[in-house]
Amino acid sequence: DGGITQSPKYLFRKEGQNVTLSCEQNLNHDAMYWYRQDPGQGLRLIYYSQIVNDFQKGDIAEGYSVSREKKESFPLTVTSAQKNPTAFYLCASSIGPEETQYFGPGTRLLVL
Amino acid sequence: KNEVEQSPQNLTAQEGEFITINCSYSVGISALHWLQQHPGGGIVSLFMLSSGKKKHGRLIATINIQEKHSSLHITASHPRDSAVYICAVGVGANSKLTFGKGITLSVRP
Repeated sequence: DGGITQSPKYLFRKEGQNVTLSCEQNLNHDAMYWYRQDPGQGLRLIYYSQIVNDFQKGDIAEGYSVSREKKESFPLTVTSAQKNPTAFYLCASSIGPEETQYFGPGTRLLVL
Repeated sequence: KNEVEQSPQNLTAQEGEFITINCSYSVGISALHWLQQHPGGGIVSLFMLSSGKKKHGRLIATINIQEKHSSLHITASHPRDSAVYICAVGVGANSKLTFGKGITLSVRP
């Protein structure tokens, strides 16, 4: 079955640690996205990539980093510079820009 | 930056009722998306539309470009329709969407 997978479902981070959230898709989509969701707020774009080996900052990129070495993979690293990382993180992909986005199940990150 | 407003904020309905959820945005767009988020957090794309009307099962989405407004209608509502409904808009030939805060719908049996 084609789809998007995110792992882990829950992730705990200690203060000062970097953590990496996984996002994999087997839909052969060129574009991939990372969003952050906080209670009472709309989804906000962290980073997006329209093609392999290229990515762009979204609206809230500070404290995050990404890579796009393979078409099917778009991992997100939450660095220690992100002062308020506790949130629900969603990965999405689409055939191209302005196309329907397909979402993964999300990763809930909690800082201990 | 496009502002996306959704109304009402929370909505409770009785099973079988006809439901309307609204979305307004502030600047011209290339496409509007309706998304559904279930309590577990997973998001499903319901519609993407740039003009007119689309229908899928009991769901109907309409958009009025001149008025910068879209509605999502649910006919013969069912408790399994209980979810958060999110409106998002895209502008121009890039990947960036602006999302509304979402509306929490609860359908009682």
